[in-house]
Amino acid sequence: DVKVTQSSRYLVKRTGEKVFLECVQDMDHENMFWYRQDPGLGLRLIYFSYDVKMKEKGDIPEGYSVSREKKERFSLILESASTNQTSMYLCATSPGLAGDEQFFGPGTRLTVL
Amino acid sequence: GENVEQHPSTLSVQEGDSAVIKCTYSDSASNYFPWYKQELGKGPQLIIDIRSNVGEKKDQRIAVTLNKTAKHFSLHITETQPEDSAVYFCAASGPDKLIFGTGTRLQVFP
Repeated sequence: DVKVTQSSRYLVKRTGEKVFLECVQDMDHENMFWYRQDPGLGLRLIYFSYDVKMKEKGDIPEGYSVSREKKERFSLILESASTNQTSMYLCATSPGLAGDEQFFGPGTRLTVL
Repeated sequence: GENVEQHPSTLSVQEGDSAVIKCTYSDSASNYFPWYKQELGKGPQLIIDIRSNVGEKKDQRIAVTLNKTAKHFSLHITETQPEDSAVYFCAASGPDKLIFGTGTRLQVFP
């Protein structure tokens, strides 16, 4: 059974803080993804990684960066959090980039005050 | 760029009735179309998917149809139950990612 865990379910941060969201998977998948979910906008891809130390920008990368030092761990970094980054953040993992099932973590609801 | 439109955004049905959610996509090269269900407080979970070499796929009360010519695909849930209440997302494959629709909140009333 694939398990994707995210470091926090709820997080409250202040404007300007550096924020780290961690995602860990136990299925040895090559590909990992970070999405943000907002009402009426669906799931929007922020960044994805297809291998250790490899990353690609998604549709909305501005204000975010990522790190993948180990295959099982993919981190999303908000260098200087802003109120418009208040959202639900979802991590996913998949054996393929576009043609395979994606397995999602439970999400982190981030509030930036 | 690639786009997936999903309708309706909300859907309310009586228990036992059918529910249909429709999606259209823009990239004619898309060949994989999954549907995800997101229950409250959880991440989305795949419930059914279809590839472009078939027109219909069924799994118990859930079915998906695909019309590649019209670039439409739909999710059909029959004999709805209260536990079907959730947010549903369609998606279509792009060159290197899945493109998700904006979601449909389905409410099934007892």
